[in-house]
Amino acid sequence: GQQLNQSPQSMFIQEGEDVSMNCTSSSIFNTWLWYKQDPGEGPVLLIALYKAGELTSNGRLTAQFGITRKDSFLNISASIPSDVGIYFCAGISGTYKYIFGTGTRLKVLA
Amino acid sequence: DAGVTQSPTHLIKTRGQQVTLRCSPKSGHDTVSWYQQALGQGPQFIFQYYEEEERQRGNFPDRFSGHQFPNYSSELNVNALLLGDSALYLCASSRAGLGYEQYFGPGTRLTVT
Repeated sequence: GQQLNQSPQSMFIQEGEDVSMNCTSSSIFNTWLWYKQDPGEGPVLLIALYKAGELTSNGRLTAQFGITRKDSFLNISASIPSDVGIYFCAGISGTYKYIFGTGTRLKVLA
Repeated sequence: DAGVTQSPTHLIKTRGQQVTLRCSPKSGHDTVSWYQQALGQGPQFIFQYYEEEERQRGNFPDRFSGHQFPNYSSELNVNALLLGDSALYLCASSRAGLGYEQYFGPGTRLTVT
């Protein structure tokens, strides 16, 4: 099935460091969503973006809707151990079909 | 405020059997989507139900079918199970007209042997 490309695939960082990850697509999307999934649980919505160029924050998390509408970025500032998990982007086109990314696995070293 | 709930939590079936998974949406939500998540991958969209009808479908065969009830809860049915159907099945709910923010349940882990 179709999936969006996320990078990096995985990353180890030190506690307190900032983290950046992105999501790219060959298709245009009208909405971008970012989720975090912990082992054995469903994804939890972090941020929703509805407009090209939009920059939205949720606590230490900041996400941007790329101006080309084909990409999105997520930044986590001052990472803490509980930031560990898998981060997924999801794009939505004009239909109700949600396309998820391949995921970025984040591990934080205390 | 109850979130999205799914049942059962885990399920083991044999090839060729049929399975039914259930989902109750978050309070106030009227739209339910189903996803299949294979190990190490992102969720794959199966279909979405709104007003008791399938509104959008992903690239899944007709062996996958669903239903939405008047109380907005939903079922996912899979017939003629294959080994490749083993996955985490996620249900997500949202409210029509309030953007595209979906909230996921914990999932049902299906193992086909």
